[in-house]
Amino acid sequence: DGGITQSPKYLFRKEGQNVTLSCEQNLNHDAMYWYRQDPGQGLRLIYYSQIVNDFQKGDIAEGYSVSREKKESFPLTVTSAQKNPTAFYLCASSIQGGYNEQFFGPGTRLTVL
Amino acid sequence: GIQVEQSPPDLILQEGANSTLRCNFSDSVNNLQWFHQNPWGQLINLFYIPSGTKQNGRLSATTVATERYSLLYISSSQTTDSGVYFCAGDTNAGKSTFGDGTTLTVKP
Repeated sequence: DGGITQSPKYLFRKEGQNVTLSCEQNLNHDAMYWYRQDPGQGLRLIYYSQIVNDFQKGDIAEGYSVSREKKESFPLTVTSAQKNPTAFYLCASSIQGGYNEQFFGPGTRLTVL
Repeated sequence: GIQVEQSPPDLILQEGANSTLRCNFSDSVNNLQWFHQNPWGQLINLFYIPSGTKQNGRLSATTVATERYSLLYISSSQTTDSGVYFCAGDTNAGKSTFGDGTTLTVKP
């Protein structure tokens, strides 16, 4: 089945550790996105990529890093510089950045202990 | 960036009632979408509606792009309609902005 997968579903990390969240899509979409959602709030854009080997900062990129080495993969690293990393992280993709419908993965819940 | 305002923030209905959710944008947007977030956090696509009107069963949506707003109509609401409804749009390619959502509770 075509779709977007995120792993792991739940992730726990100690303060000061970097952690990488996985996002894979087999929809042949060009564009991919990472969002953060805090309890009771909407989604905020962290990073987005419209094409392989290119990505742009969203509204809250500080403390995060990404790579886009393959069309189907867009991993997000939450670094120790992120002051409050506990949140729900959602990955999305669209056929072509800016002009098409976004589809979302199931999300990863990150908790910093 | 653009501002997205959703209203009302919370809505409580009896099963069978109709409702209208609104989304206002501070600037013209592309790629306007409506989503329903289920209790597990998954975002379900409801409508991709940059302009015009669309219907899907008991749900319909209208976007008036020139006036920078969109409406989501839910008719004959059911308890399974409960959850958070989000709208989102972007002004620059790829940089989407979401509203804070409307939390809908449908009581039996």
